[in-house]
Amino acid sequence: QSVLTQPPSVSAAPGQKVTISCSGSSSNIENNYVSWYQQLPGTAPKLLIYDNSKRHSGIPDRISASKSGTSATLGITGLQTGDEADYYCGTWDSSLSAGVFGGGTKLTVL
Amino acid sequence: EVQLLESGGGLVQSGGSLRLSCAASGFTFSTFVMSWVRQAPGKGLEWVSGISGSGDSTYYAASVKGRFTISRDNSKDTLYLQMDSLRAEDTALYYCAKGRVGAVAGTFYLHWGQGTLVTVTS
Repeated sequence: QSVLTQPPSVSAAPGQKVTISCSGSSSNIENNYVSWYQQLPGTAPKLLIYDNSKRHSGIPDRISASKSGTSATLGITGLQTGDEADYYCGTWDSSLSAGVFGGGTKLTVL
Repeated sequence: EVQLLESGGGLVQSGGSLRLSCAASGFTFSTFVMSWVRQAPGKGLEWVSGISGSGDSTYYAASVKGRFTISRDNSKDTLYLQMDSLRAEDTALYYCAKGRVGAVAGTFYLHWGQGTLVTVTS
């Protein structure tokens, strides 16, 4: 069971918007930076967002993220079939003195 | 261009040991946090261990603490993971990941290797 909680799956139609939540606690999300990763089947994870809301170079502005308290959210607008992937949130847990990832969310573009 | 090339994975019996290596190139290795992240077949990402640029600070997931040892040789631009007392639940693809300059806490992973597969049989 992951320290960070993500919904197992989300889905939406092409062109629509989807949000993926990542819930944690004061020892991780609330007091540490959150990053988000996209993993396409059979490939290594790819950094999308770092420091809670900063887009990595080359990531389109239809992808955004925010953090409030013990939760973080990734948003993707203008969904494309190429967005179908697994998405993970990650951060540091100060109590565990360890990095932690969410369980991952599978995005399906219907 | 940043490159991370893992090696050392393979098939090992429960209770055995393996040493993973990650050869880095394309950046000043000694200034960056490095980590190992694993992914069991069909499962999500699991952070395993992290090490500061100098190698002075190391951190481990509870699931591997006392069994795995992370280290780095900055003269060889290489990251290592010594894995002892291996268990079936350690079976996974092990990724080497490059963090940021600074502390292990608060890092993010911009560059990842392609992974090396570790299979532990019971």
